[in-house]
Amino acid sequence: KQEVTQIPAALSVPEGENLVLNCSFTDSAIYNLQWFRQDPGKGLTSLLLIQSSQREQTSGRLNASLDKSSGRSTLYIAASQPGDSATYLCAVRPLFSGGYNKLIFGAGTRLAVHP
Amino acid sequence: EAGVVQSPRYKIIEKKQPVAFWCNPISGHNTLYWYLQNLGQGPELLIRYENEEAVDDSQLPKDRFSAERLKGVDSTLKIQPAELGDSAVYLCASSLSPTDTQYFGPGTRLTVL
Repeated sequence: KQEVTQIPAALSVPEGENLVLNCSFTDSAIYNLQWFRQDPGKGLTSLLLIQSSQREQTSGRLNASLDKSSGRSTLYIAASQPGDSATYLCAVRPLFSGGYNKLIFGAGTRLAVHP
Repeated sequence: EAGVVQSPRYKIIEKKQPVAFWCNPISGHNTLYWYLQNLGQGPELLIRYENEEAVDDSQLPKDRFSAERLKGVDSTLKIQPAELGDSAVYLCASSLSPTDTQYFGPGTRLTVL
């Protein structure tokens, strides 16, 4: 059974710091991995999606890497801003997911960036 | 383009009472998902619809939970009777097809007293 773990559970940093969020998964047979952002009282917003054949994806100040063989992904946030404060969730799509986009989520990392 | 709409956004009820949540997916999206998100946890799939057919409801507690998707558009998730442990956020998501990206609604936060 696929399990997704995110470390740390919570993180508080001063504005301007570069930071790394970690995600690990137990079964390397994945189709892709996705990072989401969730603001309080709101739904999930997709940030980056990495296909199993890719090593990384970048969007603005965000960079996500994937090491499928070791079951790890990292989300790097450069020059953090207070507006980055949110919960960041990692989700994997198992390779054998019955032909649909089944997502297995981690518990998330709650990030607080203070001025 | 409007996103996934859910209502109500918040609901407080006493245990043993019934409750219903409503979801309006993005127009044209044939696949609809209901997720349960407990505090401090990631979402877990409850049920998936392809048009009006429930094709994956293995995680839905069928003794008290039910869902329907009339005419393959809007969907309703019902709990009867509610228990204290049902307090959580109920998220709805939709996608064009089963293999496409899922778009999430803001969720309904349920508190059972």
